[in-house]
Amino acid sequence: RKEVEQDPGPFNVPEGATVAFNCTYSNSASQSFFWYRQDCRKEPKLLMSVYSSGNEDGRFTAQLNRASQYISLLIRDSKLSDSATYLCVVIMEYGNKLVFGAGTILRVKS
Amino acid sequence: DAGVTQSPTHLIKTRGQQVTLRCSPKSGHDTVSWYQQALGQGPQFIFQYYEEEERQRGNFPDRFSGHQFPNYSSELNVNALLLGDSALYLCASRSPGQGTYGYTFGSGTRLTVV
Repeated sequence: RKEVEQDPGPFNVPEGATVAFNCTYSNSASQSFFWYRQDCRKEPKLLMSVYSSGNEDGRFTAQLNRASQYISLLIRDSKLSDSATYLCVVIMEYGNKLVFGAGTILRVKS
Repeated sequence: DAGVTQSPTHLIKTRGQQVTLRCSPKSGHDTVSWYQQALGQGPQFIFQYYEEEERQRGNFPDRFSGHQFPNYSSELNVNALLLGDSALYLCASRSPGQGTYGYTFGSGTRLTVV
């Protein structure tokens, strides 16, 4: 079983749509959780951290369910510029390696 | 303020050859990690260097080795290249005070093994 698993993609959505990505992790000792965004042939960039209380950044909302070992990302009012690969990331120990999911491709079309 | 710098940007090597990739961390960062990203996959952790020592290692064979210099820059060496080593190699750095939230990635070196 992979340490971090994500929804298979790609997700093809029209502009203005709401889209949700899911992610599960296998190690209950995981401490920190993130969503990264990676544009085609570019490096991953931190999109947002994920907390049990949920956190929102504009059109993006992330949620963590520790009991279910489940992480989600909701994007509202999708823009063409949101087209990218979204990577779910977990850190098992403080300050150490990032464990990435395989990523989910989002394509927003006009 | 320069971010993480990697060189070269692209590289083509033949099976069996050896390759060295280089990384200069962001100013103020002292910890460097290397990741391998195969096509269609997420980045996989290779190893992390801090104070010129390898602190943690992922599931990669001994053909993958590294080094960190006193100025915090780092090298990734891969010996006896295989076709399967073709990937984007990413370097990430962070500073002591930023903890888990401070990773900055370089734009990577795309290695093709033929």
